[in-house]
Amino acid sequence: SAVISQKPSRDICQRGTSLTIQCQVDSQVTMMFWYRQQPGQSLTLIATANQGSEATYESGFVIDKFPISRPNLTFSTLTVSNMSPEDSSIYLCSVEGAIQYGYTFGSGTRLTVV
Amino acid sequence: AQSVAQPEDQVNVAEGNPLTVKCTYSVSGNPYLFWYVQYPNRGLQFLLKYITGDNLVKGSYGFEAEFNKSQTSFHLKKPSALVSDSALYFCAVRSYGNNRLAFGKGNQVVVIP
Repeated sequence: SAVISQKPSRDICQRGTSLTIQCQVDSQVTMMFWYRQQPGQSLTLIATANQGSEATYESGFVIDKFPISRPNLTFSTLTVSNMSPEDSSIYLCSVEGAIQYGYTFGSGTRLTVV
Repeated sequence: AQSVAQPEDQVNVAEGNPLTVKCTYSVSGNPYLFWYVQYPNRGLQFLLKYITGDNLVKGSYGFEAEFNKSQTSFHLKKPSALVSDSALYFCAVRSYGNNRLAFGKGNQVVVIP
């Protein structure tokens, strides 16, 4: 199955600033997914990142707040912009691997906004 | 629309006893079903999946799950729980042709020594 390197693993940020999270995959994948896991909550899909086109955002998430880049088939970034304490969450990237392996997830970025 | 329900918040079980974590789903068409485990400060680890074929699916770390189409369920089971199985377990579903996963709220499993 694919191996994902996600960084940073954690960060503490000041409100009003932005943080960019990187996700590197060891193989080429068509789609990459970005999730948010708020404290004590389940995973919520933010957007699907396709190489060569704009990301597709889920209801409640907008590009101005969560801009995504997908410059090639192995890399994507998610930026959390103009952060507030409500953005404190774990952010995870994911890829769909071969069917027998299901989806693979990065180790997550634990973001705390103060 | 696709959704998953994990009715229990926390499952407590004594070490060595059988462990069951419940999951029911709603999806249009044939479901693809997944179980993931999350240990503290870690990402999600894939346990097992059902795509097609045998209703009983065996996965990692001795876990298995049974797909029941009539009850739209995909309960996770382990015959003998270990303390190291204490973690957060997520059930997820997607339908054929939709590659976006829908997750349940998660179940905290506590295995008591």
